[in-house]
Amino acid sequence: QKEVEQNSGPLSVPEGAIASLNCTYSDRGSQSFFWYRQYSGKSPELIMFIYSNGDKEDGRFTAQLNKASQYVSLLIRDSQPSDSATYLCAVNDANAGNMLTFGGGTRLMVKP
Amino acid sequence: AAGVIQSPRHLIKEKRETATLKCYPIPRHDTVYWYQQGPGQDPQFLISFYEKMQSDKGSIPDRFSAQQFSDYHSELNMSSLELGDSALYFCASSLGPVTYEQYFGPGTRLTVT
Repeated sequence: QKEVEQNSGPLSVPEGAIASLNCTYSDRGSQSFFWYRQYSGKSPELIMFIYSNGDKEDGRFTAQLNKASQYVSLLIRDSQPSDSATYLCAVNDANAGNMLTFGGGTRLMVKP
Repeated sequence: AAGVIQSPRHLIKEKRETATLKCYPIPRHDTVYWYQQGPGQDPQFLISFYEKMQSDKGSIPDRFSAQQFSDYHSELNMSSLELGDSALYFCASSLGPVTYEQYFGPGTRLTVT
């Protein structure tokens, strides 16, 4: 079983809707959680990070973390066609090192 | 803002050849990470350096080696290249162990023929 799990999608939402992306992880020692956006053939771009339980908002993006249930989610409000990309969830357990463990990514398609 | 710089951006090598990939971290960042991303896969951690010392090691083949220099740039050396080494190689940097946010460079696309 992969340590970080994501639904591969594609997740299709209409323009202007809320896109909800989910991620679960197995290592209870995980402390830091990241969402990266990756366009095809490009590098991952950090869009959100969250370290504490609860919600964290930045513009149209909201990250939600629930350590008890071992899941982290990303909400994208007012989705735009330019948001169409693969969203990678990444997890870090600093006690095991500073490397990131990625989920397989969820492909998001925002249709005009 | 300055970003991570990687060179070359594209590299074509034949089997059994060697390749060297370079990474220049964001100014003031002292930690560098290398990741490999195969087609349709998520990035896999290879190795990292903090203050010129290897800090963590992942699934890096013995044919690969890396180092970080006094100016914090890093080089990934790959020898006896195999067809399966064809991938995108990303370098990321962060501001040491104090923060955990890693910022990725544009990547080097390595094709082994």
